[in-house]
Amino acid sequence: AQSVTQLDSHVSVSEGTPVLLRCNYSSSYSPSLFWYVQHPNKGLQLLLKYTSAATLVKGINGFEAEFKKSETSFHLTKPSAHMSDAAEYFCVVSDRDATNKLIFGTGTLLAVQP
Amino acid sequence: NAGVTQTPKFQVLKTGQSMTLQCAQDMNHEYMSWYRQDPGMGLRLIHYSVGAGITDQGEVPNGYNVSRSTTEDFPLRLLSAAPSQTSVYFCASSYSGQDGNTIYFGEGSWLTVV
Repeated sequence: AQSVTQLDSHVSVSEGTPVLLRCNYSSSYSPSLFWYVQHPNKGLQLLLKYTSAATLVKGINGFEAEFKKSETSFHLTKPSAHMSDAAEYFCVVSDRDATNKLIFGTGTLLAVQP
Repeated sequence: NAGVTQTPKFQVLKTGQSMTLQCAQDMNHEYMSWYRQDPGMGLRLIHYSVGAGITDQGEVPNGYNVSRSTTEDFPLRLLSAAPSQTSVYFCASSYSGQDGNTIYFGEGSWLTVV
């Protein structure tokens, strides 16, 4: 069965410092993994997606994530935080089965201090 | 913005009332699904469909009905609204390709049951 664990519910960083949002997953099949961002009272925006082509995935706005099968992790990083990065981030897993169902983590709220 | 269209964006219901959240996609995707988002819980799957005429329950189906008479439309019906159904609802459509699953979300529907 699929599951996703986001290890931190809140992360606070200073502007210009690195961001690390942690995600562990479990999956019965070869998974697709995603990171989505949601700004307050807004919809979901795709940051990046892992399928199987490359373990280091680059996304929008300077974010990237590394798929580590041995650790069942898919942590999201950014070298230098910007105030506009303050939002909630969701790690999502989808098995490549017949249903395309998504399993969401519970989210990490990122605060960026000036 | 072609893609996934959800209506209404905001709705206030009284307990016991019924309503339908509409979802339409113009991408000819087989897979469609409904999620609800509650604070601290991420998005949880309500119902999903793998094609016209085929629907199945997700993680939190109680109190909701769906049907899929066409590929384009996947309405979500609240039969007798309860305050516990106050939430933000997202519709998604997706396809599975060689690069994994690609998902499109609607902009969300904010529902309050009083």
